[in-house]
Amino acid sequence: GNSVTQMEGPVTLSEEAFLTINCTYTATGYPSLFWYVQYPGEGLQLLLKATKADDKGSNKGFEATYRKETTSFHLEKGSVQVSDSAVYFCALAMNYGGSQGNLIFGKGTKLSVKP
Amino acid sequence: KAGVTQTPRYLIKTRGQQVTLSCSPISGHRSVSWYQQTPGQGLQFLFEYFSETQRNKGNFPGRFSGRQFSNSRSEMNVSTLELGDSALYLCASSSEGQGMPGNTIYFGEGSWLTVV
Repeated sequence: GNSVTQMEGPVTLSEEAFLTINCTYTATGYPSLFWYVQYPGEGLQLLLKATKADDKGSNKGFEATYRKETTSFHLEKGSVQVSDSAVYFCALAMNYGGSQGNLIFGKGTKLSVKP
Repeated sequence: KAGVTQTPRYLIKTRGQQVTLSCSPISGHRSVSWYQQTPGQGLQFLFEYFSETQRNKGNFPGRFSGRQFSNSRSEMNVSTLELGDSALYLCASSSEGQGMPGNTIYFGEGSWLTVV
C-alpha cells in the first residue's frame, strides 16, 4: 500500500546548523506531498506542500522538492533556530482524478536545536 | 478567523466506558476529518465527513464512529474503551474536504484521551 518513511530521530543540532530530514514515499499513483510540524502540546501545522513532480515547497526558510525519480521529499533548512525545535511529519495524499484522499503520515522526526 | 476547536482537551476514562469528542471546524469549512496519534502507531486516519456524510474511513474497528451536523461541527465516539485507545485525537478541517489535490488541511490542538 501507500506509505511514508522518514528518518528516525531524535535529531539534535546547534543553532545555525544545516538541517536535512529525509522522507521517501511509496505510492501507486501520483500523490501530493506535505510536511507538517507539531510544537510541544499543540496540533499539527502545515509547513509546506508540493502537488506534482519537481515542485518545490517553501515556508519560513524550510524547503522540500518533490522528486519523482527518487520518490523523495526531503526537508531542508539552511540555518536552524532554537524555535524550530519540534516534531516534523512527512505526509502524502493520493490524488484520484482530481480528488484527494486522506493524509498518510510518516512516524515523525523530533528535532532539538541547542543554543 | 478562529481555528479548529476541539473539546475537551484532556479527559480520563475507565476501560469499558464510552467517550464523545467534539470538533468545531473553521467557519465555512465543510469537511472534517479525524486522526488518532499514538507513540506506537503514529498518526492514523479515522474518518472524514463532508456535508454530513461519511466520505472516507480508515481501518479502525466499529467501536469508533462519528457524525457531522448541519453546521459542520463533528463528533466522534469510541465505545467500550480499551487501554490501547489512549491517544491524542486530532480533528482537521478544510474547505473542499480532502478532495482537492494539495488542499490545505487545518488541524486542531487535539483531545488527549487516557483510558485507565
